[in-house]
Amino acid sequence: GAVVSQHPSRVICKSGTSVKIECRSLDFQATTMFWYRQFPKQSLMLMATSNEGSKATYEQGVEKDKFLINHASLTLSTLTVTSAHPEDSSFYICSARDYTGTGPSVQETQYFGPGTRLLVL
Amino acid sequence: GQNIDQPTEMTATEGAIVQINCTYQTSGFNGLFWYQQHAGEAPTFLSYNVLDGLEEKGRFSSFLSRSKGYSYLLLKELQMKDSASYLCASMDSNYQLIWGAGTKLIIKP
Repeated sequence: GAVVSQHPSRVICKSGTSVKIECRSLDFQATTMFWYRQFPKQSLMLMATSNEGSKATYEQGVEKDKFLINHASLTLSTLTVTSAHPEDSSFYICSARDYTGTGPSVQETQYFGPGTRLLVL
Repeated sequence: GQNIDQPTEMTATEGAIVQINCTYQTSGFNGLFWYQQHAGEAPTFLSYNVLDGLEEKGRFSSFLSRSKGYSYLLLKELQMKDSASYLCASMDSNYQLIWGAGTKLIIKP
């Protein structure tokens, strides 16, 4: 399957600082990437949809000024957690949308990065 | 509304077969995904069904019935490494994934 990388894998920061997380599709171009957050023992929560060359679409309840998303190229999306606080500590996972097949057999799949574990002290 | 239901937890024996069910209510249904997630890791793609029927991939098979809003993931010849959470997700008319809470599968020797 397609490969998506995410960096860093772990980050520990002080409260009030900003943290940038990168998501890259390594072997395909992704016009759409997704950012999720997952708290322990809970399901994935979609934060925003990142579209190359345009503004991200945020889910209800997600602060766009706090979680800045930039999708500057077809292989890179970044999520910046600004002025991080302890409650922002979570597992942040990106995914990239890929298409395989042609015509009526086109299949869309989301491939996930390995995730970034953020701990805000 | 949009809703995904799957059991919270299941237990099975190594070498056996287990079926994890998922029911969904999704507007503008565009397919059903199954992902495997080991503790502390991101999900990995297992299968995608958009047409009715059974798709087989080695030890894993996935079934879909669109008329019933129902899917299952079938795991054969269970191995200890199959212990993980299995996430069911349906794709809606906007091509967004609607996620179930996941089924934690515990494999016992």
